[in-house]
Amino acid sequence: ETGVTQTPRHLVMGMTNKKSLKCEQHLGHNAMYWYKQSAKKPLELMFVYNFKEQTENNSVPSRFSPECPNSSHLFLHLHTLQPEDSALYLCASSQAGGQSYEQYFGPGTRLTVT
Amino acid sequence: SQQGEEDPQALSIQEGENATMNCSYKTSINNLQWYRQNSGRGLVHLILIRSNEREKHSGRLRVTLDTSKKSSSLLITASRAADTASYFCACNSGGSNYKLTFGKGTLLTVNP
Repeated sequence: ETGVTQTPRHLVMGMTNKKSLKCEQHLGHNAMYWYKQSAKKPLELMFVYNFKEQTENNSVPSRFSPECPNSSHLFLHLHTLQPEDSALYLCASSQAGGQSYEQYFGPGTRLTVT
Repeated sequence: SQQGEEDPQALSIQEGENATMNCSYKTSINNLQWYRQNSGRGLVHLILIRSNEREKHSGRLRVTLDTSKKSSSLLITASRAADTASYFCACNSGGSNYKLTFGKGTLLTVNP
């Protein structure tokens, strides 16, 4: 295991539901990320948190709302999703600092929007 | 926009053979990273090579970087069935230390 856990692993939700994805890292990292992976598309960066501050929002629709209460936990709150939001959502973490480091990924949450 | 682009899209080999995957990118990079993903799972980091490095090794993996051609290659020697996975290159470029731009990946199948 990579030291990054995600729950739930699978989620089916209707378009009017509200749900949250959770990510926790046990690596002492200070940067955390949300990615979306859709079939036949490159991995898309959604959000970056660096020392609990959001440093990147890659033009993500407001129906996705991230929250980072501390450096070990990251949430993605979901509401009024569309079927095209069905994808594998991956959380990652890395060291933070003056250079780019490798990222450690969780196993992902497979989201299906019906 | 997509920075790294892997080639080939799919590769099928026999156990024991070597597998080579290539990555091309468009703009100058700070570093380039290779990741592996088993079906439907998270990505696992393999190797990070910085723009001032030309070659790195890790076990059966060898990565090269040619900044003049804006390309990198990943070589897996003596492949095993367990190496079956998708392999992605990811580029870090510009002023952000955190942003990685991934390609679509190469699906490697190693047949026993």
